Amino acid sequence: QKEVEQDPGPLSVPEGAIVSLNCTYSNSAFQYFMWYRQYSRKGPELLMYTYSSGNKEDGRFTAQVDKSSKYISLFIRDSQPSDSATYLCAINSGGSNYKLTFGKGTLLTVNP
Amino acid sequence: DTGVSQDPRHKITKRGQNVTFRCDPISEHNRLYWYRQTLGQGPEFLTYFQNEAQLEKSRLLSDRFSAERPKGSFSTLEIQRTEQGDSAMYLCASSLTARAVDTQYFGPGTRLTVL
Repeated sequence: QKEVEQDPGPLSVPEGAIVSLNCTYSNSAFQYFMWYRQYSRKGPELLMYTYSSGNKEDGRFTAQVDKSSKYISLFIRDSQPSDSATYLCAINSGGSNYKLTFGKGTLLTVNP
Repeated sequence: DTGVSQDPRHKITKRGQNVTFRCDPISEHNRLYWYRQTLGQGPEFLTYFQNEAQLEKSRLLSDRFSAERPKGSFSTLEIQRTEQGDSAMYLCASSLTARAVDTQYFGPGTRLTVL
């Protein structure tokens, strides 16, 4: 079992839809949870991070963590064509272990 | 804050040649990371530096790979005797120790193609 599992999609939605992106993880030592957005042939761009169970909101984006289920989600409200990208979840266990463990990424297309 | 920069952006080489990539982190960031990303996969950790010290290396980093960060500023990643399986995007990221959460900021990557 991989440490971080993410459905690669692809996911196609109409403009204005609510998008739900999800990851599961296996290591209960993971403490910090990040979401990155990656446009084609570009480096990943940090969207949000959180380190506790619950929700964190930033504009149209909401990150949700459920540590009891080892499940993390990113919701995008009022999706726009400019949101079309690959979304990567990334997790690390904090402490002296700084490496990020990434999911495969979910390719999202928002159609105008 | 000019962001993480990487050079070159693209590199095409023949199998068996050596290649070197450079990463300039965000100024004042003392941690620097290298990741490798192949098509359809998320980035995979290779190695990281805190200042000039290389503190962790992945098993993915074979003996043909070497990374340096002289003086704790820019870093180089060298691949010797390249193989076709080395074709990938090589990503550099940096972060600042002082932050409570180690938020890593990525550069645009160097895309390597080995023929």
